[in-house]
Amino acid sequence: AAGVIQSPRHLIKEKRETATLKCYPIPRHDTVYWYQQGPGQDPQFLISFYEKMQSDKGSIPDRFSAQQFSDYHSELNMSSLELGDSALYFCASSLGPSGQGNDSPLHFGNGTRLTVT
Amino acid sequence: GEDVEQSLFLSVREGDSSVINCTYTDSSSTYLYWYKQEPGAGLQLLTYIFSNMDMKQDQRLTVLLNKKDKHLSLRIADTQTGDSAIYFCADYGENTPLVFGKGTRLSVIA
Repeated sequence: AAGVIQSPRHLIKEKRETATLKCYPIPRHDTVYWYQQGPGQDPQFLISFYEKMQSDKGSIPDRFSAQQFSDYHSELNMSSLELGDSALYFCASSLGPSGQGNDSPLHFGNGTRLTVT
Repeated sequence: GEDVEQSLFLSVREGDSSVINCTYTDSSSTYLYWYKQEPGAGLQLLTYIFSNMDMKQDQRLTVLLNKKDKHLSLRIADTQTGDSAIYFCADYGENTPLVFGKGTRLSVIA
């Protein structure tokens, strides 16, 4: 079965550079989520989109922005990168926004490992 | 906000059962999830349980939910070395789609 596709798998950037991460959800899934997982940490929610509109916002820094396109893929844009942004960035998708009463679990991609030097 | 707690480490012998425990605080949770993460890999959805269920069994996996005590557990029968991974309990928080615990690192000794 098709899964969530993230690209690139690995990315190395220098401080103050910009980065763009891409996410292609499972076919027919209309909701995407971005999570950040620091070394040895649990995943932290950044932001989510449903039908191309932002649906929830978590601990996403102002230096980051994201959007969902008409084909439901999403991009996370990161500017003025800092050393502390080094982490594994996961995208997840679901059919309909997951939440209370909606039996639609999040399916995660394999992540993009961002290293800022 | 929602808080999900797990013990950090568990070590078992191959062939034994593993039990990973989790507590959560949001009493309005509808679904609770278990994800598995192998080293350097993504988050794999293992199983989930609806809050009006007490138990769900899926092959070697058994999920028990005590809604009164807000306690969730994952039992892995006949644990194998391939089960070595970090297991995350996850729950819907008030303002976030999914809140994760810190993860339990399961080590299986051959």
